Amino acid sequence: QKEVEQNSGPLSVPEGAIASLNCTYSDRGSQSFFWYRQYSGKSPELIMFIYSNGDKEDGRFTAQLNKASQYVSLLIRDSQPSDSATYLCAVIKNDMRFGAGTRLTVKP
Amino acid sequence: EAGVTQSPTHLIKTRGQQATLRCSPISGHTSVYWYQQALGLGLQFLLWYDEGEERNRGNFPPRFSGRQFPNYSSELNVNALELEDSALYLCASSPGPSEAFFGQGTRLTVV
Repeated sequence: QKEVEQNSGPLSVPEGAIASLNCTYSDRGSQSFFWYRQYSGKSPELIMFIYSNGDKEDGRFTAQLNKASQYVSLLIRDSQPSDSATYLCAVIKNDMRFGAGTRLTVKP
Repeated sequence: EAGVTQSPTHLIKTRGQQATLRCSPISGHTSVYWYQQALGLGLQFLLWYDEGEERNRGNFPPRFSGRQFPNYSSELNVNALELEDSALYLCASSPGPSEAFFGQGTRLTVV
């Protein structure tokens, strides 16, 4: 079982729609959870982090954490073509481990 | 505030040679992570340094090694290079068990 799992996609949504990205993790001792965005040929950039169960909102982005289900999600509201990228879920127990990423395409 | 800097940006080596990659963390950050990202693939965890000590390493052979200096900068050494070592090597720094920030990466090509 992989430590952090994501659907590889591609996920395609129309402009203005809500994009939903999901991530599961295997270690119940995991403490901190992150979403990064990576454009092609660039390094990952941090979008959001969440440490407690529930929702955390930042602009168009909402991160959701359910530790009982070992599940983290990222919602992107009013998706824009500029949101087209690979989204990486990361988890910290001791060190930081990443999922393989989900490629998102937002079509105009 | 300066971000994470990595050098060199690009590196071309011949199979069997050694490569040394360098990373300067954000000021005040004591943790440095190293990842390998082969073309089209995800980030594979290589090494984690914190407060000058190696805290953990991923499933890579011993020819991948590194160290962290007293100023918290770090270097990654890859010995006996193989063609499949060609990848983007990413360094990230963190102030602790929290969000990490990436450098621009070093593109290593082994020919």
